[in-house]
Amino acid sequence: KQEVTQIPAALSVPEGENLVLNCSFTDSAIYNLQWFRQDPGKGLTSLLLIQSSQREQTSGRLNASLDKSSGRSTLYIAASQPGDSATYLCAAAQTGANNLFFGTGTRLTVIP
Amino acid sequence: EAGVAQSPRYKIIEKRQSVAFWCNPISGHATLYWYQQILGQGPKLLIQFQNNGVVDDSQLPKDRFSAERLKGVDSTLKIQPAKLEDSAVYLCASSLYNSPLHFGNGTRLTVT
Repeated sequence: KQEVTQIPAALSVPEGENLVLNCSFTDSAIYNLQWFRQDPGKGLTSLLLIQSSQREQTSGRLNASLDKSSGRSTLYIAASQPGDSATYLCAAAQTGANNLFFGTGTRLTVIP
Repeated sequence: EAGVAQSPRYKIIEKRQSVAFWCNPISGHATLYWYQQILGQGPKLLIQFQNNGVVDDSQLPKDRFSAERLKGVDSTLKIQPAKLEDSAVYLCASSLYNSPLHFGNGTRLTVT
């Protein structure tokens, strides 16, 4: 069974810093890897989806990378802002039907 | 584009009572998911529908949980009877094949 781990569990950075969130998964036979953002009391918002054949995806200040062979993905956030404060979750899909296995998330606080 | 709609937003019940949650996915999304998110954990898939057929219900506690998707659109998730450990946020999501999931805001269930 796929297991997804996220380190660190919580992270505080001053505004303007660049930061990296880490995600590891045990079964490298994934279909895609997705990153989500969750604000308190809300559902999840999709940030980036990396297909298994891709190495990275970018959206604005966000860049996600995927290394299937090592079972790792990273989410890079450039020039962090207080509005980036949220919990970030990664999830691995075992098939194209998107049966996702989630990590427990990294709670990010960006200090003004 | 209207998002995934869920109701109610909050529900408080006593153990052994029953409860039902409703979800309306994004129009045209054939795949619908119900996730359970316990405080401090990542979401766990309960059941996945493709149109009105079940794709994956391996983690659904079938002795007390049931779900249906009428006419391949709306879905309901029922718990009967509820236990204390069912206290969680129940998230509904929908997607196209191999595309990002779109989540609703969830229903927060408290079982006392």
